[in-house]
Amino acid sequence: KQEVTQIPAALSVPEGENLVLNCSFTDSAIYNLQWFRQDPGKGLTSLLLIQSSQREQTSGRLNASLDKSSGRSTLYIAASQPGDSATYLCAVNFSARQLTFGSGTQLTVLP
Amino acid sequence: SAVISQKPSRDICQRGTSLTIQCQVDSQVTMMFWYRQQPGQSLTLIATANQGSEATYESGFVIDKFPISRPNLTFSTLTVSNMSPEDSSIYLCSVEDPAQGSYGYTFGSGTRLTVV
Repeated sequence: KQEVTQIPAALSVPEGENLVLNCSFTDSAIYNLQWFRQDPGKGLTSLLLIQSSQREQTSGRLNASLDKSSGRSTLYIAASQPGDSATYLCAVNFSARQLTFGSGTQLTVLP
Repeated sequence: SAVISQKPSRDICQRGTSLTIQCQVDSQVTMMFWYRQQPGQSLTLIATANQGSEATYESGFVIDKFPISRPNLTFSTLTVSNMSPEDSSIYLCSVEDPAQGSYGYTFGSGTRLTVV
C-alpha cells in the first residue's frame, strides 16, 4: 500500500528560527511530490512541486528537497515568521492522477 | 495558476438533508477531483469527475451518497446526501494545473460542512 508519513505532527518554534518538515513515502516510483499549506478551516495553497527527476525546488524562504531512493522529502523554511503558522501537507503523486496525502505538520511560529 | 471558485464556503445542515457544493474553474480542465477532509485528518479522494461520463468513485464512497455532476469542462458539483453528523468535514475540489508543473494540482478554498 502506498503511504505518506509526515513527522512531526506538530511543531512550535520561536520567530526567526530555521526549520525542517519531513515527509516520507513508501514507493520510490513517483511522478512528483507537492507541498501545500492549509490555514485552519480553509483550502490548500500549493507551495512547491518537485518532479521525480528533480532534487530540489526553491521559492522565496522555502526550499523543498526530494530523495526518491530513500523515499524522503523535506521542506525547509528559513527565518520563520508568525504568518507561517499553518498546517503543511505533503502529497505524493504515485499514479499521475491521484494525490496521496500525509497527515500534515501543524506549525506554530511564536512571536 | 488555475483559479477555482468553490461555494458555499461553509454551511450548517440538519441531519437527513442534502447539500450541493459547486466548483467553477476559470479554464477548461479534463478532470476534476473531489476530496474529503474529516476533522483532524488528512485528505481522502472521494471521486474523479470527467465531463460527459460518470464519475469514478474510490473505495468506500458510493454514488448514492455523493452524486457528482460534470456538465461542462469548467464546472462540477458534489452533493452530500442524507447527511449525518459523520459527514461533517471540509470538502475540496481540485484540478490538474499545468501552471504548477506537470501533474501538479490546484485546490479550491473548501466547503466546511457541519451536520447537526
